[in-house]
Parts: sequence; structure tokens; C-alpha cells
Amino acid sequence: DAGITQSPRHKVTETGTPVTLRCHQTENHRYMYWYRQDPGHGLRLIHYSYGVKDTDKGEVSDGYSVSRSKTEDFLLTLESATSSQTSVYFCAINEDGADEQYFGPGTRLTVT
Amino acid sequence: KQEVTQIPAALSVPEGENLVLNCSFTDSAIYNLQWFRQDPGKGLTSLLLIQSSQREQTSGRLNASLDKSSGRSTLYIAASQPGDSATYLCAVHDTDKLIFGTGTRLQVFP
Repeated sequence: DAGITQSPRHKVTETGTPVTLRCHQTENHRYMYWYRQDPGHGLRLIHYSYGVKDTDKGEVSDGYSVSRSKTEDFLLTLESATSSQTSVYFCAINEDGADEQYFGPGTRLTVT
Repeated sequence: KQEVTQIPAALSVPEGENLVLNCSFTDSAIYNLQWFRQDPGKGLTSLLLIQSSQREQTSGRLNASLDKSSGRSTLYIAASQPGDSATYLCAVHDTDKLIFGTGTRLQVFP
């Protein structure tokens, strides 16, 4: 299995609070991705990174920000959580942008 | 805009059957196509990656084919087992991003 961990694995938070999810990899891969998975929508890309301090928006980036200060860590921040951001969040990595992607175990976030 | 569709959305078969899962995409200008398996409440496990220059890829009882010109891929599972029960997702590599279908939920009963 690819060395990808996500923390926390489960989180319940209140509307309006800030939340940060962490993705950590031990593979030294260049690309890292954040997706959300919702019933009826499948997996959708939020943001991705193609190197330290290099990030770009995905399909559903509104309300989210990311940071990557080290190769191994990619942080996803919800500045002010809303109920519509209740979802399962997955991190993924690959070395080349078009290469095989490997996924982390996911974080289940509930915003009440 | 690339769209990925998977049919059927759900499938229930008896153990031992050979089965085919379908994936179609609207823009044939893809880099690669990847098939995943997802068990309930779990993450995604990569099954097969087909390069755009390849027509098929095999791993054990799984065989995936790719026809870029028609915008289709199929995942063939031979001699299905109850342990194959899961959701199967296909995704196309569009430059440096993956675009997913909504999956086929497979149940194999003894």
C-alpha cells in the first residue's frame, strides 16, 4: 500500500468553525490531491498540488484553501465550515500527473 | 467538459459468473484510464491503469480494455466471488487530474 495517512479520520464540528485536514505521504511523490465524495456526485476534485508551494483549483474549490510547505504534507482548510461541506474527504498522490493515483483512507467530516 | 458514465449503477450476480462493467467518456483525448475498487466505508484501491497507447491490461481475474476512439472501457471479472462485492469506479486522466464516474455497485452472492 502507498504510504498515505490522513488525519483526523473522523471529525464533527459546528457551522462557522475553521477546520484543517492533513494528508501525509512517505512516497516523496510530487503530486497531491484533495477530493470529496458525496452520494450522487461521486468523487470531485477540490484542489491539487504539483510541488511545494504550487497548487491549483479543482472542480469544487469554493470555501476551501490548501497549503503545501513540505513535499510530504498537504493541508486542506475550511475557513468557516458549512453544512454543505459535510462529506468524506480523500487525499491522493502520484509522481507524474497522469500516472497511477493512490488514495488515502479518507476523513469523514460532519458539520452540524 | 469531460464526462464519465458507468453502467449499470448496480449489479447482483451469483458466484462463479463472468461479468463486464462498462465505463464511457465523452472526450477521447485522455492520457490514461484507471479502475478502482471501493469497499463500504473505505478508501479507493487501484486495480488497473491503462495507458492511452494500450488497448488492455490484465491483473489476475481482472481484464480492462480501452477503446479511445469510441470513448469506452470495460472491466471484465472472471469467475466472480463474494469477495469481489464492492463499488467499482473508473476514472480518466485529463492532463494532471482524474475525472470519475459514479461507479457500479457489485454484489456477488453465494
